[in-house]
Amino acid sequence: DTEVTQTPKHLVMGMTNKKSLKCEQHMGHRAMYWYKQKAKKPPELMFVYSYEKLSINESVPSRFSPECPNSSLLNLHLHALQPEDSALYLCASSQKPGAVTNEKLFFGSGTQLSVL
Amino acid sequence: AQTVTQSQPEMSVQEAETVTLSCTYDTSESDYYLFWYKQPPSRQMILVIRQEAYKQQNATENRFSVNFQKAAKSFSLKISDSQLGDAAMYFCACPMNYGGATNKLIFGTGTLLAVQP
Repeated sequence: DTEVTQTPKHLVMGMTNKKSLKCEQHMGHRAMYWYKQKAKKPPELMFVYSYEKLSINESVPSRFSPECPNSSLLNLHLHALQPEDSALYLCASSQKPGAVTNEKLFFGSGTQLSVL
Repeated sequence: AQTVTQSQPEMSVQEAETVTLSCTYDTSESDYYLFWYKQPPSRQMILVIRQEAYKQQNATENRFSVNFQKAAKSFSLKISDSQLGDAAMYFCACPMNYGGATNKLIFGTGTLLAVQP
């Protein structure tokens, strides 16, 4: 199994809603990532988890709350989002934390989020 | 500052022809790989090819090859015998040191490749 699975594929939410994005991998990877991607732009790193611990937070607003309950699962909890947060949210994983200098990232297909 | 630059926002190629996508980068890492990722309309980022900076030989994966010029910090992607399924956004990527032993991948701005039948 070489897949990173993200659910849901599409999400529409109001600014007062609370929702969660889910990401799962069963490759035994110990690094997991959240990226945000606006249309026709490159992915921007949000968070990195290494061995289930948060290792990088790219100054992301607190309305985005990541969680890594175990080595296979990564969640992104959303609360009080703004319309400008509408974007594609991509999850990725790699085998060894801190080794992005030479490691391949495996990406999911993303969750397209619209905030109304 | 560590940067990745793709100077071609859009490119077009005829089916079965060859196209080259450009990328220049700057990194302070001493031992690193460079990557080309493809993002088709399905939105999933897929690794196309990677090049180890210490290797003289340019990487090749079937119809995809790179022209790596380390001194010039240039890393271009050549697609031979282009197919309709090659139509996608292509991102060049380079690692950047975040601090200590932690690194992150920096993506270029992307090149949107259209393949004409």
